[in-house]
Amino acid sequence: DTAVSQTPKYLVTQMGNDKSIKCEQNLGHDTMYWYKQDSKKFLKIMFSYNNKELIINETVPNRFSPKSPDKAHLNLHINSLELGDSAVYFCASSHRGHGTGELFFGEGSRLTVL
Amino acid sequence: AQSVSQHNHHVILSEAASLELGCNYSYGGTVNLFWYVQYPGQHLQLLLKYFSGDPLVKGIKGFEAEFIKSKFSFNLRKPSVQWSDTAEYFCAVSSRGSQGNLIFGKGTKLSVKP
Repeated sequence: DTAVSQTPKYLVTQMGNDKSIKCEQNLGHDTMYWYKQDSKKFLKIMFSYNNKELIINETVPNRFSPKSPDKAHLNLHINSLELGDSAVYFCASSHRGHGTGELFFGEGSRLTVL
Repeated sequence: AQSVSQHNHHVILSEAASLELGCNYSYGGTVNLFWYVQYPGQHLQLLLKYFSGDPLVKGIKGFEAEFIKSKFSFNLRKPSVQWSDTAEYFCAVSSRGSQGNLIFGKGTKLSVKP
C-alpha cells in the first residue's frame, strides 16, 4: 500500500489553464505539505496543513490554492498556469505530535506548462 | 532564518570508493537532522535521521552520518559506494518543536561509475 499517493504523476498543459493535483495519505498523520522541486532539484516548502488548518504558507502566488477536505487529503489547485510553474510537486505528511519533523513523501507530480 | 548548505553539487566516484557528503546548517536552537535520497525518477526516501543521543547515526544501505554540534555539521558517509547509490542526496533540518517545516539543502548529485 502506498503511504502517500499523488495524482496525476504527470501533467502537461498549456499556459493559462487551471489544474489540480491530489494527495492522500493513509499513515494517520495529522500534517500534510506541498513542496516544489525546481529544475535544479531545489526543494522548497509551499504549504502545510495541520488537521485541515493552514499553518505554513510560504511566499507563493495567489494562483496556488491548497485545499484540505480532511486530514488525510491535501489538494493543490493552480489557476492561470505560467511557464515558471513547471516543476515537480511533492506532497508529504508527518505526525506533528511527534515533533520530529520527519516527512514521508509521495512520488511527485511532474507538471509541464507549455 | 534556518538554512542548509551542501558543499558539493556533483560528486563522481568509482565503485568501492569511500563517500563523504558535506552538510552544514545555520540555526541557533535545537534541531532535528535528516538525509533524504532521491533515486532517478523516484520520490524522496529517508536515509537516516538524528534527533538526540549518539551523534553517529546509522541509516539504511550502509550509510551513516555524524552530527558535530560545534561545527553545525551533519556529514553523510559510506565506506564503499555501489553503482546503485547513484542518486541525489538532500540534507534537511527542522527546528525541534517546529511546525514540521523541513528546510532542505540544494542537494548533491552522486554518480557512481561501475
